[in-house]
Amino acid sequence: GNSVTQMEGPVTLSEEAFLTINCTYTATGYPSLFWYVQYPGEGLQLLLKATKADDKGSNKGFEATYRKETTSFHLEKGSVQVSDSAVYFCALSGGTSYGKLTFGQGTILTVHP
Amino acid sequence: NAGVTQTPKFRILKIGQSMTLQCTQDMNHNYMYWYRQDPGMGLKLIYYSVGAGITDKGEVPNGYNVSRSTTEDFPLRLELAAPSQTSVYFCASSPSGTSVAEELFFGEGSRLTVL
Repeated sequence: GNSVTQMEGPVTLSEEAFLTINCTYTATGYPSLFWYVQYPGEGLQLLLKATKADDKGSNKGFEATYRKETTSFHLEKGSVQVSDSAVYFCALSGGTSYGKLTFGQGTILTVHP
Repeated sequence: NAGVTQTPKFRILKIGQSMTLQCTQDMNHNYMYWYRQDPGMGLKLIYYSVGAGITDKGEVPNGYNVSRSTTEDFPLRLELAAPSQTSVYFCASSPSGTSVAEELFFGEGSRLTVL
């Protein structure tokens, strides 16, 4: 079945540091890949997505590239801000599983001034 | 711009008690979902619905029931609460469910503790 593995957290960075959160997946067929973010006290919201190999999703300075050869979808940002402190979830949707996302365990990011 | 609203936000239950988590969306979405999130784990799908009157099991349905009498509401019922149901519960919705790339819209979560 489908599965998503994220890097262990929590991740603590200083403001303006470079961020990478690793995500690898196992899926049959050609899944769509997502990053969702959960800010403190809020629900999850979509950060970015990619629907086919070599697609790059981007939003709010974050980027992730769909790498089929390495089954990865790593999240990156060149310069993090305190306001980026949140929990980040990698997820996939595949086959006929419309909306039935498979999530990674989440990575807590804390950014200090 | 309410979106997906869940109540209550926090609840403590005793073993064997029953309760209902309420979920309402005002976006006229067809698909609705209930997920649970345990510490250090990803979200797991409990139940989902593709429209009023239609529900189906997800990955971890045991101990839960749902109903979908209207497009807007999708309550989750726990009949005999057990400590294993201590978790954070998220309700979500999506417009049509016809695309694997469709965005899900989540509520803020309901934290349930069973003692």
